Amino acid sequence: EVQLVQSGAEVKKPGESLRISCKGSGYRFTKYWFGWVRQMPGKGLEWMGIIYPDDSETRYSPACQGQVTISVDKSITTAYLQWSSLKASDTAVYYCARLGYSGSWGDYWGQGTPVTVSS
Amino acid sequence: EIVLTQSPATLSLSPGERATLSCRANQSVNFLAWYQQKPGQAPRLLIYDTSNRAPGIPARFSGSGSGTDFTLTISSLEPEDFEVYYCQHRTSWPFAFGGGTKVEIK
Repeated sequence: EVQLVQSGAEVKKPGESLRISCKGSGYRFTKYWFGWVRQMPGKGLEWMGIIYPDDSETRYSPACQGQVTISVDKSITTAYLQWSSLKASDTAVYYCARLGYSGSWGDYWGQGTPVTVSS
Repeated sequence: EIVLTQSPATLSLSPGERATLSCRANQSVNFLAWYQQKPGQAPRLLIYDTSNRAPGIPARFSGSGSGTDFTLTISSLEPEDFEVYYCQHRTSWPFAFGGGTKVEIK
């Protein structure tokens, strides 16, 4: 059974760093693109970036380029989304998704990690 | 960058009625997907490659379209269908979602 399990909710202050995780299981982790999606409070879905675990090829959306870092650790089938300096505007729920169907569509999703950034 | 515009923003219908949701792209896309999202939950893939139902998705959901105009149709609304729906393209990076359509009970 394919599962994506994300790390728990976070409450941080502006300027702090953060890394959230998403562990994949039940499938060949290195052979599927993996994406991160942001959903700000009461808003829609936004693709932040995608990564191919086999070679760590990474693509960022223009809005997220330079703002976050996406990485993977193949040895533990886990993907990460990292900030070096959080802003209040980073408050959102972050979802990870496996991109099935030739790296196109989110066929399996994590449960979401709520991140609150507030002073 | 490809931008997807969904309409209407809100669709008010009764159970048993037909729902027609639109997704329009600012330039031609090759394929489209549709997702359903319930409050507090991750999105669920309904339709991929424009017209293929994902595993386990009921036959009342169908997708169609080409070029810049795409449609998700729910043939007869069940109570569990009153949720938010998003379209998504994958023609080129960055992928994008539409802004969403909320289907609410009239």
